[in-house]
Amino acid sequence: IAGITQAPTSQILAAGRRMTLRCTQDMRHNAMYWYRQDLGLGLRLIHYSNTAGTTGKGEVPDGYSVSRANTDDFPLTLASAVPSQTSVYFCASSRLAGVNEQFFGPGTRLTVL
Amino acid sequence: LAKTTQPISMDSYEGQEVNITCSHNNIATNDYITWYQQFPSQGPRFIIQGYKTKVTNEVASLFIPADRKSSTLSLPRVSLSDTAVYYCLVGRSYGGSQGNLIFGKGTKLSVKP
Repeated sequence: IAGITQAPTSQILAAGRRMTLRCTQDMRHNAMYWYRQDLGLGLRLIHYSNTAGTTGKGEVPDGYSVSRANTDDFPLTLASAVPSQTSVYFCASSRLAGVNEQFFGPGTRLTVL
Repeated sequence: LAKTTQPISMDSYEGQEVNITCSHNNIATNDYITWYQQFPSQGPRFIIQGYKTKVTNEVASLFIPADRKSSTLSLPRVSLSDTAVYYCLVGRSYGGSQGNLIFGKGTKLSVKP
């Protein structure tokens, strides 16, 4: 049972480049989320999706976009990366929208130079 | 939005009971209180969730007073493997806007031998 997988594990990116972080879950969960984690700031919600075909903005959505074409995949795209987007990114899912029991992936460590 | 406040860090010794308190003065009627555990280089893991009074599972207990403005996560007889960051989260369960989910900054628990 894989749960949630994220790719890549880590990435170093030049500022201004486009980057897509991949997230796939095999639990048939309806809702999925993207968080970023920075030292001293905890976890902050970037975008979420209550169900396939819908997305919404979280606490820190600027500079990021998401899509939810199907139940399993929820990619996060940085159209033009900036150094302030250096962070660890976690994807998560929950059985239903609004359910607080979320299952997290292993994370992607992104460095923007 | 219901923000949370937790101690930044706590120290304990193996075998002791640890209580971590979270303040959430602006909790809404429909909000649940959820706690997560996070080890270094891993995504957070759900521990326990409650609405009022007391909830207990095989890992922890959660105490919530009548006014629900705070909650206490209780870890019985901690071991070295309980060294982690513990997050308090307040938000709706089973429905509602995902934008209401907010993680606290976490409490770093260090368990010593």
